[in-house]
Amino acid sequence: DAGVIQSPRHEVTEMGQEVTLRCKPISGHNSLFWYRQTMMRGLELLIYFNNNVPIDDSGMPEDRFSAKMPNASFSTLKIQPSEPRDSAVYFCASSPSGGRYEQYFGPGTRLTVT
Amino acid sequence: GNSVTQMEGPVTLSEEAFLTINCTYTATGYPSLFWYVQYPGEGLQLLLKATKADDKGSNKGFEATYRKETTSFHLEKGSVQVSDSAVYFCALRWYQGAQKLVFGQGTRLTINP
Repeated sequence: DAGVIQSPRHEVTEMGQEVTLRCKPISGHNSLFWYRQTMMRGLELLIYFNNNVPIDDSGMPEDRFSAKMPNASFSTLKIQPSEPRDSAVYFCASSPSGGRYEQYFGPGTRLTVT
Repeated sequence: GNSVTQMEGPVTLSEEAFLTINCTYTATGYPSLFWYVQYPGEGLQLLLKATKADDKGSNKGFEATYRKETTSFHLEKGSVQVSDSAVYFCALRWYQGAQKLVFGQGTRLTINP
């Protein structure tokens, strides 16, 4: 199994530009999670989906952030416009449905906004 | 609310030393508790877990016991190796059916040969 796949692994962009991060969950997993990791705030859950439907987006910092899951094998996290304070490592994780299963994390995307 | 507090790092030890990383939690009800490990340049991986009081999770020589009376889930290893150098996260799941995990701030561990 390939595991959770994220792309790109590194992204450097200028303030004001649109950034799109991509995630392919493990096949058969029905739940998908987006996290952000920074030194100051640690690991924060931004949003999660069950069966492609957003369940809880209370962690999304503001309207500049949006996430979609058009099908069971693909999700995007978009930031528009980006700001330097968005610089972080963004992780995607997936799990089978139901709360008793482990979450499997992707390798992350390191975003730098200059 | 539900929260996890971890021992502040970084922690630096010599190879074969004894390791303890403290973790305490605040939660209503009966949470499940986890330790995740993040190796350099990688995502988090589940290291061990415990789902009820007095359960002991163990994996790769690491152990942690769910102590409800002290609301703690401290991570221990009797003899650490250089390859254990990583960031360790304590986490809780509010209840059995919940999907959200609440993570501590992480503790960076460095093992010197």
